[in-house]
Amino acid sequence: EDKVVQSPLSLVVHEGDTVTLNCSYEVTNFRSLLWYKQEKKAPTFLFMLTSSGIEKKSGRLSSILDKKELFSILNITATQTGDSAVYLCAVPHHYYNAGNNRKLIWGLGTSLAVNP
Amino acid sequence: DAGITQSPRHKVTETGTPVTLRCHQTENHRYMYWYRQDPGHGLRLIHYSYGVKDTDKGEVSDGYSVSRSKTEDFLLTLESATSSQTSVYFCAISPDPYAQYFGPGTRLTVL
Repeated sequence: EDKVVQSPLSLVVHEGDTVTLNCSYEVTNFRSLLWYKQEKKAPTFLFMLTSSGIEKKSGRLSSILDKKELFSILNITATQTGDSAVYLCAVPHHYYNAGNNRKLIWGLGTSLAVNP
Repeated sequence: DAGITQSPRHKVTETGTPVTLRCHQTENHRYMYWYRQDPGHGLRLIHYSYGVKDTDKGEVSDGYSVSRSKTEDFLLTLESATSSQTSVYFCAISPDPYAQYFGPGTRLTVL
Protein backbone atom coordinates (compact mmCIF):
# COMPACT_ATOMS: atom_id res chain seq x y z
CA GLU A 1 0.00 0.00 0.00
CA ASP A 2 1.28 3.43 -0.92
CA LYS A 3 2.13 5.63 2.04
CA VAL A 4 3.78 8.88 3.03
CA VAL A 5 5.20 9.33 6.52
CA GLN A 6 6.38 12.60 7.99
CA SER A 7 8.59 13.11 11.01
CA PRO A 8 8.66 14.48 13.54
CA LEU A 9 4.95 14.99 14.16
CA SER A 10 5.67 18.18 16.05
CA LEU A 11 8.61 20.38 16.78
CA VAL A 12 9.21 23.43 18.98
CA VAL A 13 12.21 25.68 18.31
CA HIS A 14 13.42 29.18 19.08
CA GLU A 15 13.68 31.96 16.58
CA GLY A 16 16.92 31.75 14.66
CA ASP A 17 17.19 27.97 14.86
CA THR A 18 17.50 25.80 11.77
CA VAL A 19 15.01 22.95 11.40
CA THR A 20 14.86 19.88 9.20
CA LEU A 21 11.57 18.19 8.44
CA ASN A 22 11.44 14.72 6.96
CA CYS A 23 9.11 13.01 4.51
CA SER A 24 9.60 9.38 3.59
CA TYR A 25 7.48 7.56 1.04
CA GLU A 26 6.66 4.15 -0.32
CA VAL A 27 4.84 4.74 -3.59
CA THR A 28 5.00 2.56 -6.68
CA ASN A 29 5.92 4.41 -9.87
CA PHE A 30 7.09 7.46 -7.95
CA ARG A 31 7.06 10.63 -10.02
CA SER A 32 7.27 13.63 -7.73
CA LEU A 33 6.90 14.94 -4.20
CA LEU A 34 5.20 18.12 -3.08
CA TRP A 35 5.58 20.27 0.03
CA TYR A 36 2.87 22.53 1.43
CA LYS A 37 2.67 24.97 4.32
CA GLN A 38 -0.53 25.27 6.32
CA GLU A 39 -1.04 28.06 8.79
CA LYS A 40 -4.45 28.44 10.39
CA LYS A 41 -6.10 28.27 6.98
CA ALA A 42 -5.75 26.37 3.71
CA PRO A 43 -2.53 24.60 2.64
CA THR A 44 -0.35 26.63 0.30
CA PHE A 45 2.02 25.07 -2.21
CA LEU A 46 5.76 25.43 -1.56
CA PHE A 47 7.80 23.10 -3.78
CA MET A 48 7.57 20.22 -6.18
CA LEU A 49 10.56 17.89 -6.47
CA THR A 50 11.06 15.39 -9.26
CA SER A 51 14.79 14.75 -9.46
CA SER A 52 17.21 13.42 -6.91
CA GLY A 53 19.82 15.73 -5.48
CA ILE A 54 18.47 18.94 -6.95
CA GLU A 55 17.72 21.49 -4.31
CA LYS A 56 14.71 23.75 -4.55
CA LYS A 57 15.01 27.02 -2.67
CA SER A 58 12.73 29.85 -1.74
CA GLY A 59 14.28 32.33 0.63
CA ARG A 60 15.08 30.55 3.87
CA LEU A 61 13.29 27.37 2.82
CA SER A 62 14.97 24.67 0.81
CA SER A 63 14.14 21.10 -0.06
CA ILE A 64 15.90 18.14 -1.56
CA LEU A 65 14.83 14.71 -2.74
CA ASP A 66 16.63 11.38 -2.39
CA LYS A 67 14.98 8.89 -4.76
CA LYS A 68 17.35 6.11 -3.78
CA GLU A 69 16.54 6.29 -0.08
CA LEU A 70 12.92 7.36 -0.72
CA PHE A 71 12.74 10.54 1.29
CA SER A 72 12.75 14.31 1.10
CA ILE A 73 13.78 16.93 3.62
CA LEU A 74 12.58 20.47 4.05
CA ASN A 75 15.05 22.83 5.70
CA ILE A 76 14.18 26.15 7.23
CA THR A 77 17.10 28.33 8.27
CA ALA A 78 17.00 31.29 10.67
CA THR A 79 13.44 30.44 11.67
CA GLN A 80 10.95 33.21 12.43
CA THR A 81 7.66 33.11 14.32
CA GLY A 82 5.93 33.41 10.96
CA ASP A 83 7.28 29.98 10.03
CA SER A 84 5.00 28.44 12.66
CA ALA A 85 2.69 26.16 10.69
CA VAL A 86 1.97 22.58 9.74
CA TYR A 87 4.15 21.40 6.87
CA LEU A 88 2.57 18.78 4.66
CA CYS A 89 4.16 16.40 2.19
CA ALA A 90 2.27 14.69 -0.65
CA VAL A 91 3.09 12.20 -3.41
CA PRO A 92 0.98 11.43 -6.50
CA HIS A 93 -0.74 8.06 -6.32
CA HIS A 94 0.93 5.28 -8.31
CA TYR A 95 -1.94 5.20 -10.80
CA TYR A 96 -1.59 8.94 -11.33
CA ASN A 97 -2.67 9.88 -14.85
CA ALA A 98 -3.94 6.36 -15.48
CA GLY A 99 -7.46 6.97 -16.66
CA ASN A 100 -8.50 10.08 -14.83
CA ASN A 101 -6.61 9.44 -11.61
CA ARG A 102 -4.92 12.52 -10.20
CA LYS A 103 -4.95 11.72 -6.53
CA LEU A 104 -2.29 12.65 -4.02
CA ILE A 105 -1.22 10.62 -0.99
CA TRP A 106 -0.78 12.93 1.98
CA GLY A 107 1.38 12.69 5.05
CA LEU A 108 -0.07 13.76 8.39
CA GLY A 109 2.21 16.76 8.57
CA THR A 110 4.78 18.19 10.95
CA SER A 111 3.55 20.91 13.29
CA LEU A 112 6.29 23.49 13.76
CA ALA A 113 6.12 26.08 16.51
CA VAL A 114 8.75 28.83 16.52
CA ASN A 115 8.98 30.67 19.83
CA PRO A 116 10.35 34.20 20.08
CA ASP B 1 -4.50 33.28 -5.47
CA ALA B 2 -5.75 30.21 -7.33
CA GLY B 3 -9.16 31.75 -8.02
CA ILE B 4 -11.10 29.37 -5.79
CA THR B 5 -13.90 30.38 -3.47
CA GLN B 6 -15.93 28.27 -1.10
CA SER B 7 -19.31 28.96 0.40
CA PRO B 8 -20.41 29.11 3.07
CA ARG B 9 -17.21 29.67 5.05
CA HIS B 10 -18.84 28.60 8.30
CA LYS B 11 -21.94 26.60 8.94
CA VAL B 12 -23.64 25.14 12.00
CA THR B 13 -26.37 22.63 11.35
CA GLU B 14 -28.28 19.90 13.14
CA THR B 15 -27.99 16.16 12.79
CA GLY B 16 -30.17 14.80 10.02
CA THR B 17 -30.36 17.96 7.93
CA PRO B 18 -29.04 18.15 4.38
CA VAL B 19 -26.08 20.42 3.75
CA THR B 20 -24.54 21.58 0.47
CA LEU B 21 -21.12 23.17 0.20
CA ARG B 22 -20.10 25.00 -2.93
CA CYS B 23 -16.71 25.34 -4.57
CA HIS B 24 -16.31 27.85 -7.38
CA GLN B 25 -13.27 28.36 -9.60
CA THR B 26 -12.67 31.14 -12.09
CA GLU B 27 -10.07 29.41 -14.26
CA ASN B 28 -11.89 26.48 -15.96
CA HIS B 29 -9.60 23.75 -14.66
CA ARG B 30 -10.70 20.23 -15.33
CA TYR B 31 -9.78 18.64 -12.00
CA MET B 32 -11.48 19.60 -8.75
CA TYR B 33 -11.37 17.92 -5.34
CA TRP B 34 -13.16 17.86 -2.01
CA TYR B 35 -11.17 17.04 1.13
CA ARG B 36 -11.94 16.99 4.80
CA GLN B 37 -9.32 17.70 7.42
CA ASP B 38 -9.49 16.43 10.98
CA PRO B 39 -6.95 16.34 13.79
CA GLY B 40 -4.96 13.11 13.69
CA HIS B 41 -6.22 12.19 10.22
CA GLY B 42 -4.76 14.87 8.02
CA LEU B 43 -6.27 15.61 4.63
CA ARG B 44 -8.60 12.92 3.32
CA LEU B 45 -10.09 12.90 -0.14
CA ILE B 46 -13.88 12.67 -0.27
CA HIS B 47 -14.63 12.93 -3.99
CA TYR B 48 -13.01 14.43 -7.02
CA SER B 49 -14.07 15.45 -10.51
CA TYR B 50 -12.24 15.26 -13.81
CA GLY B 51 -14.82 17.12 -15.87
CA VAL B 52 -18.46 18.14 -16.10
CA LYS B 53 -20.60 15.25 -14.84
CA ASP B 54 -17.44 13.14 -14.30
CA THR B 55 -16.72 12.31 -10.67
CA ASP B 56 -15.10 9.56 -8.66
CA LYS B 57 -14.91 8.53 -5.03
CA GLY B 58 -12.08 9.19 -2.66
CA GLU B 59 -11.16 7.35 0.50
CA VAL B 60 -13.95 8.72 2.73
CA SER B 61 -16.94 9.10 0.38
CA ASP B 62 -19.62 7.39 2.51
CA GLY B 63 -22.33 9.87 3.45
CA TYR B 64 -21.30 12.38 0.78
CA SER B 65 -22.36 13.01 -2.79
CA VAL B 66 -21.09 15.48 -5.35
CA SER B 67 -22.24 17.12 -8.53
CA ARG B 68 -20.55 19.08 -11.27
CA SER B 69 -22.94 20.49 -13.84
CA LYS B 70 -20.62 23.34 -14.85
CA THR B 71 -16.85 23.46 -15.13
CA GLU B 72 -16.59 26.21 -12.55
CA ASP B 73 -18.74 24.70 -9.79
CA PHE B 74 -18.26 21.55 -7.71
CA LEU B 75 -20.89 20.88 -5.06
CA LEU B 76 -20.52 18.62 -2.04
CA THR B 77 -23.73 17.40 -0.38
CA LEU B 78 -24.19 15.75 2.97
CA GLU B 79 -27.58 14.12 2.49
CA SER B 80 -28.23 13.73 6.22
CA ALA B 81 -25.52 15.33 8.30
CA THR B 82 -24.07 13.45 11.27
CA SER B 83 -21.82 14.66 14.08
CA SER B 84 -18.94 12.65 12.60
CA GLN B 85 -19.05 14.98 9.60
CA THR B 86 -18.08 17.95 11.72
CA SER B 87 -14.86 19.00 10.05
CA VAL B 88 -13.08 21.56 7.92
CA TYR B 89 -13.77 21.01 4.25
CA PHE B 90 -11.37 22.12 1.56
CA CYS B 91 -11.89 22.31 -2.16
CA ALA B 92 -8.87 22.13 -4.46
CA ILE B 93 -8.07 22.42 -8.15
CA SER B 94 -5.24 20.92 -10.16
CA PRO B 95 -4.16 23.27 -12.94
CA ASP B 96 -0.93 21.42 -13.69
CA PRO B 97 -0.12 17.71 -13.66
CA TYR B 98 0.72 17.36 -9.99
CA ALA B 99 0.20 20.29 -7.64
CA GLN B 100 -3.18 21.06 -6.13
CA TYR B 101 -4.25 24.49 -4.96
CA PHE B 102 -6.75 24.94 -2.20
CA GLY B 103 -9.73 27.11 -1.49
CA PRO B 104 -10.10 28.90 1.86
CA GLY B 105 -12.10 26.11 3.51
CA THR B 106 -15.51 25.69 5.12
CA ARG B 107 -15.82 24.96 8.81
CA LEU B 108 -18.86 22.75 9.34
CA THR B 109 -20.29 21.92 12.76
CA VAL B 110 -23.03 19.33 13.05
CA LEU B 111 -24.81 19.44 16.42
